Amino acid sequence: DAGVTQSPTHLIKTRGQQVTLRCSPKSGHDTVSWYQQALGQGPQFIFQYYEEEERQRGNFPDRFSGHQFPNYSSELNVNALLLGDSALYLCASSLGQGVRAGELFFGEGSRLTVL
Amino acid sequence: GQSLEQPSEVTAVEGAIVQINCTYQTSGFYGLSWYQQHDGGAPTFLSYNALDGLEETGRFSSFLSRSDSYGYLLLQELQMKDSASYFCAVRSLDSNYQLIWGAGTKLIIKP
Repeated sequence: DAGVTQSPTHLIKTRGQQVTLRCSPKSGHDTVSWYQQALGQGPQFIFQYYEEEERQRGNFPDRFSGHQFPNYSSELNVNALLLGDSALYLCASSLGQGVRAGELFFGEGSRLTVL
Repeated sequence: GQSLEQPSEVTAVEGAIVQINCTYQTSGFYGLSWYQQHDGGAPTFLSYNALDGLEETGRFSSFLSRSDSYGYLLLQELQMKDSASYFCAVRSLDSNYQLIWGAGTKLIIKP
């Protein structure tokens, strides 16, 4: 049973560039949520995709956008990168929009460094 | 607004018992989750409490008191592999049922 997979695992960008991160959810899951985790902090909710639409969004600017494909995989795009965007980006999958019993399945994350 | 508070760091000895506390402020509380995250790894789900009381899963137990807006994670028979960060996360009406996370507690285990 394949878990949540993310790519790339590490990447380095410069300020002003754009980045795309990818996520494949756990087999059987149809909902993908994206989180940003700064060093020494808890994950911060960016947005959630279900049925190929953004269903919920956290307090992140429009520079952060995403997409979900018919096979439930998802992309996170960040435009006009800032130094403060350096973080671990986590993808979490679940079945249905609600976080059933508070359980999310996470990928290993994509570590983004902005120089 | 919503907030969660947990200690930033806890130190314990191998084989001992340790308790990690979490207090929260939110409206429309739905449940409290606990996650473990090793350095460089993904958060992994440990437990979820929606009702008052103690839930036990092997060496780990989690407790919730809704009236006190308080919960804790209890780890028994500590092993070196338990060295990790532990996060409490609240699901509430305020957050539209998404998980809002604490800053995490780094558990350091000494031999």
